[in-house]
Amino acid sequence: NAGVTQTPKFRVLKTGQSMTLLCAQDMNHEYMYWYRQDPGMGLRLIHYSVGEGTTAKGEVPDGYNVSRLKKQNFLLGLESAAPSQTSVYFCASRVTGNYGYTFGSGTRLTVV
Amino acid sequence: GENVEQHPSTLSVQEGDSAVIKCTYSDSASNYFPWYKQELGKGPQLIIDIRSNVGEKKDQRIAVTLNKTAKHFSLHITETQPEDSAVYFCAAYNNNDMRFGAGTRLTVKP
Repeated sequence: NAGVTQTPKFRVLKTGQSMTLLCAQDMNHEYMYWYRQDPGMGLRLIHYSVGEGTTAKGEVPDGYNVSRLKKQNFLLGLESAAPSQTSVYFCASRVTGNYGYTFGSGTRLTVV
Repeated sequence: GENVEQHPSTLSVQEGDSAVIKCTYSDSASNYFPWYKQELGKGPQLIIDIRSNVGEKKDQRIAVTLNKTAKHFSLHITETQPEDSAVYFCAAYNNNDMRFGAGTRLTVKP
């Protein structure tokens, strides 16, 4: 039982490049979330999904897209990376009826 | 939307002392208040939570108190140990919107 797995763990992008971050969970959780963590700002919600095939915007969605084609996977895409997207990205999931999140170990992204 | 403020931003205590971290929230509809511990290079881990119909909850050396009227909640760690050193985040949840505080870096000195 791996929990929530994020790939890759580290990535450096040039401005304007695109990439996809993968989040996979093996706990059969319905809800999945993408957060970014910046110094002094805590965690801010980018997008979330309440089930397979559904997505919704969070607090800071601009510049990101997501997809949830399979229940266990939640993908976060950056179409044209900007230096302001340099951050640590965390994926989380939870089961219906329990609000406690299980987080992945994070992806550290640097955009130069 | 919800706004969560957390204090202090850094806290240093001697091993064996108690540590208290406080959070306030703005949305009276928030009904679930978790606390997460984040160690260096890892994701946040849920350590304790409390729902809005409960005033206090305890789990061994950690406890959380909630004052709904004043809209604040606190994390209490007793008999601190060096392994308690980490960043702690509070959060408030309402209707699929979990808002986090900015975090408290706790250092426990041996």
